Amino acid sequence: SAVISQKPSRDICQRGTSLTIQCQVDSQVTMMFWYRQQPGQSLTLIATANQGSEATYESGFVIDKFPISRPNLTFSTLTVSNMSPEDSSIYLCSGSGQGADTQYFGPGTRLTVL
Amino acid sequence: AQSVTQLDSHVSVSEGTPVLLRCNYSSSYSPSLFWYVQHPNKGLQLLLKYTSAATLVKGINGFEAEFKKSETSFHLTKPSAHMSDAAEYFCVVSVDRGSTLGRLYFGRGTQLTVWP
Repeated sequence: SAVISQKPSRDICQRGTSLTIQCQVDSQVTMMFWYRQQPGQSLTLIATANQGSEATYESGFVIDKFPISRPNLTFSTLTVSNMSPEDSSIYLCSGSGQGADTQYFGPGTRLTVL
Repeated sequence: AQSVTQLDSHVSVSEGTPVLLRCNYSSSYSPSLFWYVQHPNKGLQLLLKYTSAATLVKGINGFEAEFKKSETSFHLTKPSAHMSDAAEYFCVVSVDRGSTLGRLYFGRGTQLTVWP
């Protein structure tokens, strides 16, 4: 299994600012994903983070709002840009290894936008 | 199309009594199915998974689930609830079984409350 850490664990931000969330995996993973969990809701996939190329976004999510980087096999960042209170959520990253059929999740970043 | 329906948004049981969390799925392909648990202010933890081997799957902390293709169900059970089981539980289906490319579809979650 993979151990995934995220920074920051939580933050409170002002409207109009941006926040970058970091995700670090303790071993190389083939796939990394970013999810959003709005208050009282289930998880929604934002995008698949691809190493060395642009992320693949799900319907309803765009690169300008959620730019993602993945410079290597163990690290990825998600930026929430030009934030509004509607962006208040928990953001989680996950990863799965070569040939694996299980995704392991980070502890999440709890974001509150005022 | 793939989807997951968790039939109960909240389940309450007394400590020591059985737990049943219901999940039905819809998938165009043979699915992989998972149960994850999320404790308050914690990340998601994998409880168990079904990936085409035995239909009765045993997981951590005494939980198990049975894959029933005819009923398109994957209900989670535990014979005797413990206070520490109180958490949110998510039933999840993956489209591409055995592949790292599989994306996950989450149910809405079931909040389990355990009374002393």
